[in-house]
Amino acid sequence: DVKVTQSSRYLVKRTGEKVFLECVQDMDHENMFWYRQDPGLGLRLIYFSYDVKMKEKGDIPEGYSVSREKKERFSLILESASTNQTSMYLCASRQSGANEQFFGPGTRLTVL
Amino acid sequence: GEDVEQSLFLSVREGDSSVINCTYTDSSSTYLYWYKQEPGAGLQLLTYIFSNMDMKQDQRLTVLLNKKDKHLSLRIADTQTGDSAIYFCAESIGYQLIWGAGTKLIIKP
Repeated sequence: DVKVTQSSRYLVKRTGEKVFLECVQDMDHENMFWYRQDPGLGLRLIYFSYDVKMKEKGDIPEGYSVSREKKERFSLILESASTNQTSMYLCASRQSGANEQFFGPGTRLTVL
Repeated sequence: GEDVEQSLFLSVREGDSSVINCTYTDSSSTYLYWYKQEPGAGLQLLTYIFSNMDMKQDQRLTVLLNKKDKHLSLRIADTQTGDSAIYFCAESIGYQLIWGAGTKLIIKP
């Protein structure tokens, strides 16, 4: 079974803090994705990576950066957290060319 | 730009059929997907359909695709309480997925 894990289920941070969200997959997938999920807006793509050290901006990259130093790990960084980044963050991975994206359980981030 | 639209809520009685609808705008989509998100969990692929098909059936699930109208639907027969979830429609554009906002399926006893 493919497993995608995220470092925290719940996280509370203060405005201005630097925040790291980690995602690890165990199936040697090339592609990895970070989304945020907000009620009524569905999933919006923040960044994706199609291979190690490769990254592409998604629809809403502002205020975020990413790092993919190893194939299994894709990190999302909030350089200076703001209250409008309070959201559910979902990581996904996919074998290149395959249909299915496999999702982690999500991290619910609250920025106070 | 690309857009995928769904109703936000659907309420059905246990044992009835549920039909969740979705419209999309990009006719070049190769695949269309239905994902399910149970409370407190990530998303899980339920089923998908290739764009040159018009129907796909998998046990209690039936997917209908009307490519001319860019309309996709998911029918769940004999809806059970375990079907309570948010259902997301998505279309593939290259290696990205464009997502709908999700339809919350509410089951009434």
